[in-house]
Amino acid sequence: ELKVEQNPLFLSMQEGKNYTIYCNYSTTSDRLYWYRQDPGKSLESLFVLLSNGAVKQEGRLMASLDTKARLSTLHITAAVHDLSATYFCAVAFNDMRFGAGTRLTVKP
Amino acid sequence: EAGVAQSPRYKIIEKRQSVAFWCNPISGHATLYWYQQILGQGPKLLIQFQNNGVVDDSQLPKDRFSAERLKGVDSTLKIQPAKLEDSAVYLCASSLLREGLSGYTFGSGTRLTVV
Repeated sequence: ELKVEQNPLFLSMQEGKNYTIYCNYSTTSDRLYWYRQDPGKSLESLFVLLSNGAVKQEGRLMASLDTKARLSTLHITAAVHDLSATYFCAVAFNDMRFGAGTRLTVKP
Repeated sequence: EAGVAQSPRYKIIEKRQSVAFWCNPISGHATLYWYQQILGQGPKLLIQFQNNGVVDDSQLPKDRFSAERLKGVDSTLKIQPAKLEDSAVYLCASSLLREGLSGYTFGSGTRLTVV
């Protein structure tokens, strides 16, 4: 059975700091997605990673995929308050399986 | 392009009552998904349609949940009878390709509270 594990589940960080969110999954897949969800809102697609070694960057967020290690990372550079949200990774198998989410709070 | 439309936004019902949710995907998106998101958890797939056919409903509690996608466009998800544990946000998503290579677009969701 496909399992998707994110860590940490909760992350409180200061503005200007860097941090990485990890997403491990248990079954081979070559497609991984990162989503952002603000409280009471729906999911917003951030990145679609389709191959081993894929790296995508948008603003202060950078995502990478290592299919051999079954690991994806979401790196946050110089965090700002606006990045406060819950971030989900999701892995494509027969369907798209989501991790439990990382609730990020960026404090001034 | 218009996004994925869902209604209602909120619904409060008593246990054992019935409820239905509606979803209109992005025009041209052949694949439609219903997800259940319980507070504090990631979304869980309930059912996936390709046009008007069911691709995967293995995680749909078929004794109480049903879904249809008539004419391969709009979809409805029904719960009958509802239980307390059905309280969740029900998200509809659509994608251009079945494999989701372009990612999924989610609607705003319907927040269901069963009391």
